[in-house]
Amino acid sequence: SYVLTQPPSVSVAPGETATVTCGGNNIGSESVHWYQQKPGQAPALVIYYDNDRPSGIPERFSGTNSGNTATLTISRVEAGDEADYYCQVWDSSSAHPYVFGTGTKVTVL
Amino acid sequence: EVQLVESGGGLVQPGRSLRLSCAVSGFTFDDYAMHWVRQVPGKGLEWVSGISWNSGYIGYGDSVKGRFTISRDNTKKSLFLQMNSLRPEDTAFYYCVKDALSVGDASPFENWGQGTLVTVSS
Repeated sequence: SYVLTQPPSVSVAPGETATVTCGGNNIGSESVHWYQQKPGQAPALVIYYDNDRPSGIPERFSGTNSGNTATLTISRVEAGDEADYYCQVWDSSSAHPYVFGTGTKVTVL
Repeated sequence: EVQLVESGGGLVQPGRSLRLSCAVSGFTFDDYAMHWVRQVPGKGLEWVSGISWNSGYIGYGDSVKGRFTISRDNTKKSLFLQMNSLRPEDTAFYYCVKDALSVGDASPFENWGQGTLVTVSS
């Protein structure tokens, strides 16, 4: 089955840029979605179809997807961005098609 | 406002059954595919099952196939997950999730409920 690999943790100072990667075989040919999960809360969609933002998500959140790596970028990081972030794709070749990444804890220093 | 409210979780012994429900409001239920996603406390997300708007497509994750059954009642705006032969490794928060589209293939998981905790233990 398709595997999505994320770094376990990323640390960033307020005002700086956080980069979260999601590695997968030829992931650039898939549509990637990103979810944010704050402590004690349910996940929430922050980026969909590689680089679209749902209403209410700040422009500071952006995404790219090419080759074997998709990337979530959070610019001008704020304390409220501290959360776990998960990438997700739909693997059309699998009977178990919805795949999540391993998750990345973003810590704001 | 989209609302997804899960119920039915709790403590259950291994081998027993449990039925989860999800009541929705704030959108036209029968226009969208729906899913169940679970999360072991402190761990990552795992897709459990999904169902298209008209129940024409139903899918399951490998770890629950043959034991869990997803269904929906569009007249009652409700999603269900019948869980049989429960195992300790099924212990997790179970989230009811609204898809962005009616069929749900490469589309995102647009809205999530707050989750209900299922604990499988003797």
